[in-house]
Amino acid sequence: GEDVEQSLFLSVREGDSSVINCTYTDSSSTYLYWYKQEPGAGLQLLTYIFSNMDMKQDQRLTVLLNKKDKHLSLRIADTQTGDSAIYFCAEADNQGGKLIFGQGTELSVKP
Amino acid sequence: SQTIHQWPATLVQPVGSPLSLECTVEGTSNPNLYWYRQAAGRGLQLLFYSVGIGQISSEVPQNLSASRPQDRQFILSSKKLLLSDSGFYLCAGTRGGEQYFGPGTRLTVT
Repeated sequence: GEDVEQSLFLSVREGDSSVINCTYTDSSSTYLYWYKQEPGAGLQLLTYIFSNMDMKQDQRLTVLLNKKDKHLSLRIADTQTGDSAIYFCAEADNQGGKLIFGQGTELSVKP
Repeated sequence: SQTIHQWPATLVQPVGSPLSLECTVEGTSNPNLYWYRQAAGRGLQLLFYSVGIGQISSEVPQNLSASRPQDRQFILSSKKLLLSDSGFYLCAGTRGGEQYFGPGTRLTVT
């Protein structure tokens, strides 16, 4: 079945770049997403990439997609303490747009 | 832009009591709507989705049900809550390729 995997924790220093990685299994996914969740809050859509793209940049965020390896990454440049949160990778199936989520990567930013 | 509203924000209910969580969408018409549950860990599990009024698909067999009485309204219900129904319930709606989430309802069953 479909599966999305992420490492559970990442710790970086303020000002450094963060790279959060994700692998997925469904090669027919149409969209791949990155969401941010702060404690006690809902999921905030950060960015998404269509499956026919290799890269998408949006201010401090860069998404890279390697379809051959089914690997997705999110790079956050100049990471700030306010970026501390859990980041979820998700793939959308091609039937109704249901999302399959990874377990989330908890990003800890140290001053 | 699309906005998802959910209420209540928090809820404490005894085992065996009924449940009704409401989700409404503004800013778009005929969205696909979803109910997810996030358990004490982190994983999000899709419970129900709907592509239109009265059309509900269930992803997992459970103690819950969903209804979509209006285009922009999605309701999650239970006749008798179980302890295992505790969790963080999130409603989401899709517009084009973008799926947005509501603020969530934290349900504690005691």
